[in-house]
Amino acid sequence: DGGITQSPKYLFRKEGQNVTLSCEQNLNHDAMYWYRQDPGQGLRLIYYSQIVNDFQKGDIAEGYSVSREKKESFPLTVTSAQKNPTAFYLCASSLNRGAGQPQHFGDGTRLSIL
Amino acid sequence: DAKTTQPPSMDCAEGRAANLPCNHSTISGNEYVYWYRQIHSQGPQYIIHGLKNNETNEMASLIITEDRKSSTLILPHATLRDTAVYYCIVRVLVTGGGNKLTFGTGTQLKVEL
Repeated sequence: DGGITQSPKYLFRKEGQNVTLSCEQNLNHDAMYWYRQDPGQGLRLIYYSQIVNDFQKGDIAEGYSVSREKKESFPLTVTSAQKNPTAFYLCASSLNRGAGQPQHFGDGTRLSIL
Repeated sequence: DAKTTQPPSMDCAEGRAANLPCNHSTISGNEYVYWYRQIHSQGPQYIIHGLKNNETNEMASLIITEDRKSSTLILPHATLRDTAVYYCIVRVLVTGGGNKLTFGTGTQLKVEL
């Protein structure tokens, strides 16, 4: 079945450590997105990519980095510069960047600090 | 960005229609209205979207007022599995192209027997 796969489901980070969250889609979508969700709040955009080898900062990009070397993959690295990384991270994709194209989400990765 | 206003919570009896309202009085002419729902600890699920006309799919119906300042999501026969937080979102373009979904706090719908 086509869809978006995020892994791992749960992740723990030690102080000063970088961690990478995986996002893979087999929907042949051009655009991909990373959001962060904190308890009781809505989603906030971290980074997005419209095509391979291109990505743009969202509203809260500081302390995060991404790459888009393949169409189906958009990994997110949470660096040690991100001082409050504990959150629920969601990856999404859409056919293209048009406003009439819905974004479809994975099931998320929950990141916690040890 | 056009903001949306939703009631924080609603209850609905199983089998009855659930009507979830949303106010988006500052929406621009080329901005879509999207509805998603989220069950605890899962990713948001796309439900439906529209620009001007009413829309219907296998999950729900979307009624947009003529002035586009508000909309209503209708789940025609709510079941217990429809219990979730429902988000009404105006799709906006971001600088440099692309777009983002600005999620508010949504409406917690509780479907009861």
